[in-house]
Amino acid sequence: RKEVEQDPGPFNVPEGATVAFNCTYSNSASQSFFWYRQDCRKEPKLLMSVYSSGNEDGRFTAQLNRASQYISLLIRDSKLSDSATYLCVVRSNSGYALNFGKGTSLLVTP
Amino acid sequence: EPEVTQTPSHQVTQMGQEVILRCVPISNHLYFYWYRQILGQKVEFLVSFYNNEISEKSEIFDDQFSVERPDGSNFTLKIRSTKLEDSAMYFCASSAWGQGANEKLFFGSGTQLSVL
Repeated sequence: RKEVEQDPGPFNVPEGATVAFNCTYSNSASQSFFWYRQDCRKEPKLLMSVYSSGNEDGRFTAQLNRASQYISLLIRDSKLSDSATYLCVVRSNSGYALNFGKGTSLLVTP
Repeated sequence: EPEVTQTPSHQVTQMGQEVILRCVPISNHLYFYWYRQILGQKVEFLVSFYNNEISEKSEIFDDQFSVERPDGSNFTLKIRSTKLEDSAMYFCASSAWGQGANEKLFFGSGTQLSVL
């Protein structure tokens, strides 16, 4: 089983739509979770950390379900600039390595 | 925002040759990393480095790979004898503290390595 699994998409949505991405992870002992964003052939950039209680940053909401080993990202009021690949990331138990999912591709259209 | 700088942006080499990829981490950061991404695949962890030692490495980081911090600013990844399958984008990253739940990694823009 892959450590971090995501639906690769692509998700094609119109501007203004709400879109949700899901991710599952295999290691039940994992403690730290993140969503990164990656534009085509560019470096990953941290979008937000994911906390057990759920957290929001503007139009972005992240949720963690430890029992189901499931992480989600909700984007409200999609903008054209949100078009990118969204990477679900889980920190290894050693604390140093980040385990990346393969990413979910989002295309926001006018 | 401070940046991690990587050079060169593209590197082409012949199979069997040695390559050195260079990175300048953010100046007050203490933890340094190399990741790679083969085209169309996920970002993969290679190695982390702290206090002049490797703190963690993946199965990918075999004897053909080495890292060094030769001075106070540079962090390098050396591949001794490149293989075709080493062709990938190599990302350097740095962070201030290393392991916190809120710890933010800053990635460089990458070096695209092509092994012919």
